[in-house]
Order: sequence, then structure tokens, then C-alpha cells
Amino acid sequence: DIQMTQSPSSLSASVGDRVTITCRASQGISNFLAWYQQKPGKVPKLLIYATSTLQSGVPSRFSGSGSGTDFTLTISSLQPEDVATYYCQSYYDPLWAFGQGTKVEIK
Amino acid sequence: EVQLVQSGAEVKKPGESLKISCKGSGYTFTSHWIGWVRQRPGKGLEWMGIIYPSDSDTRYSPSFQGHVTISADKSISTAYLQWISLKASDTAIYYCARTAPGTGSLPFEHWGQGTLVTVSS
Repeated sequence: DIQMTQSPSSLSASVGDRVTITCRASQGISNFLAWYQQKPGKVPKLLIYATSTLQSGVPSRFSGSGSGTDFTLTISSLQPEDVATYYCQSYYDPLWAFGQGTKVEIK
Repeated sequence: EVQLVQSGAEVKKPGESLKISCKGSGYTFTSHWIGWVRQRPGKGLEWMGIIYPSDSDTRYSPSFQGHVTISADKSISTAYLQWISLKASDTAIYYCARTAPGTGSLPFEHWGQGTLVTVSS
């Protein structure tokens, strides 16, 4: 099976900072990579799919990049409402798996 | 509006069986995969398995294969997650989620509200 490894596990940044989260797959998954945001006590929300396609309604400060095994989620200017845990997910059949999550806090 | 409505919270004893449900509405139930995701208290998301309700094609994560059963009844637009013998380590919130529109492998676009399963003696 596939392993998805995110780094860092947590980060603290100031409002307006650029934030980058990385996700590494143990096997190549082409561009079948999604990012989800989960706020405390809430249901996960799809942010980005196909590595870099923004889901409808998601602010443009979120972006994704990468291919193969290495992927990145970037928040260009961190906002207070972005406090959440972010998960990457491979959906490259049959290599489905989530990363362990990255908790983002405001400094 | 797409909705996935899950069954209510459950409290069970170790060794008991359980079947929780996820009812889809607002879309063609047989046209999208539905998956199940576990989230243990204070922990991350774990992909368990997925089913295509049209033909019941089912895939499991190796970590969950043999421990749970995923099924669907397309006549009532409902997917299920079932255990024969629960363990304390099964205590978690279980989410069902529907894939995005399209063909091929797709991410989870819509999520149920979650079902809290507590297993304790």
C-alpha cells in the first residue's frame, strides 16, 4: 500500500505570511492528489484536486503544485480563518490514502 | 443539493456487531463512488474503503480489509459500514464521502456529518 508523508506536522505563522505544506507519496501517483481542510469539530472540506485545481468557492490564496511523488500546498497570505488541519490524499486507484495531517495555527 | 446523512451515534461493547448507514440524496446515487473514512479521537483521517453502488464494486485499504464490510442498497440510496466484532480501538468518528463528478479516480467532494462510534465495556 501507499504511504503519504506530510511535513511539517504543525506550524505557527503570522497573519499575512506565506505558508507551505509538503506531501510525499511513497509511490508515483501522477497528479491524483487532493488537499482537504478540516477545522476543529468540523467535517473535512475539499480544497484542491488533481494537484492544482481549486475547488469551487475556495479562496485564490490557496494553491497546489507537484507531480509524481512530491506535492505542495501553499497559502499565499495566511488568514485567521485558515486555522485548521490540512490533509493530502492520494486517490490514484488503488493507491488511496491520506497524509497524517498538518496543523496550522496563528502566531 | 447533494446530501449525505449518516445514522446516529452508537455506544457498543467489545465483541458486539454494528452496521452504520449513509443515505445519499440530491444526486444519482448509482453514479458516484461512496467511501468511508475513520478519524480516531484527536487523530488524522484514515481511508477505509470505497464502493460503487451501481454494481457494488468495492475496494478496501489493506489496513481495513477483513475487519469491516462495506455495502450499498441502491434501491434506498444507502451505503453501509459493518463490523462483526467491535474492539475498543474501533472507537472513532466514521465519515462517508461521495466522489466528485467525472470518470476515473476522483477525490471526495461531499461528506456526511460523521457517526461517532464508541466501543467500551
